[in-house]
Amino acid sequence: GDSVTQMEGPVTLSEEAFLTINCTYTATGYPSLFWYVQYPGEGLQLLLKATKADDKGSNKGFEATYRKETTSFHLEKGSVQVSDSAVYFCALAMYSGGGADGLTFGKGTHLIIQP
Amino acid sequence: DVKVTQSSRYLVKRTGEKVFLECVQDMDHENMFWYRQDPGLGLRLIYFSYDVKMKEKGDIPEGYSVSREKKERFSLILESASTNQTSMYLCASMGGDEQFFGPGTRLTVL
Repeated sequence: GDSVTQMEGPVTLSEEAFLTINCTYTATGYPSLFWYVQYPGEGLQLLLKATKADDKGSNKGFEATYRKETTSFHLEKGSVQVSDSAVYFCALAMYSGGGADGLTFGKGTHLIIQP
Repeated sequence: DVKVTQSSRYLVKRTGEKVFLECVQDMDHENMFWYRQDPGLGLRLIYFSYDVKMKEKGDIPEGYSVSREKKERFSLILESASTNQTSMYLCASMGGDEQFFGPGTRLTVL
């Protein structure tokens, strides 16, 4: 079945450091790819998405590029802030006639940014 | 603004009790989902629904059932709660290709 593998944390960085969180996927077709973020005590929020190969999703300084040849969707940010501390989930969705059959999530990466 | 609400943020139940978790969305979305979130396992799909009175099993449906009598409301039912169902439960509805999540219900089964 479909699966998502992402680096497990916690990942601890200093403020203004460069961030990469790796994500690779296995899917039988051509999924849409997502990064969700969960801040402490809150539900998940969509951070960015890409729906086809070579698409780049971006939001709040974060970027990720859909790489079909390496089945990857790595999350990057050039300069992290303390407020970026959260849990980040990579996810994929496959679509059938009735819509998406739910998201398949990675296990999440806990990011801690120290001042 | 998009809104998905869940009936409780925290819930404590005893083994064997019947438990109802309610989710309501105000976006007129057809697709709704229930996930559970566990440390080290991420989110796993329990059930989803394409429309009123329709339901589909996700990856881990055992021990759960669902009800969708109205478009805006999707309920998760634990017929006889067990300690291994202690978890965070997240509801989502889908608009376009984006899922919108509720704040979650942290359920503890004693």
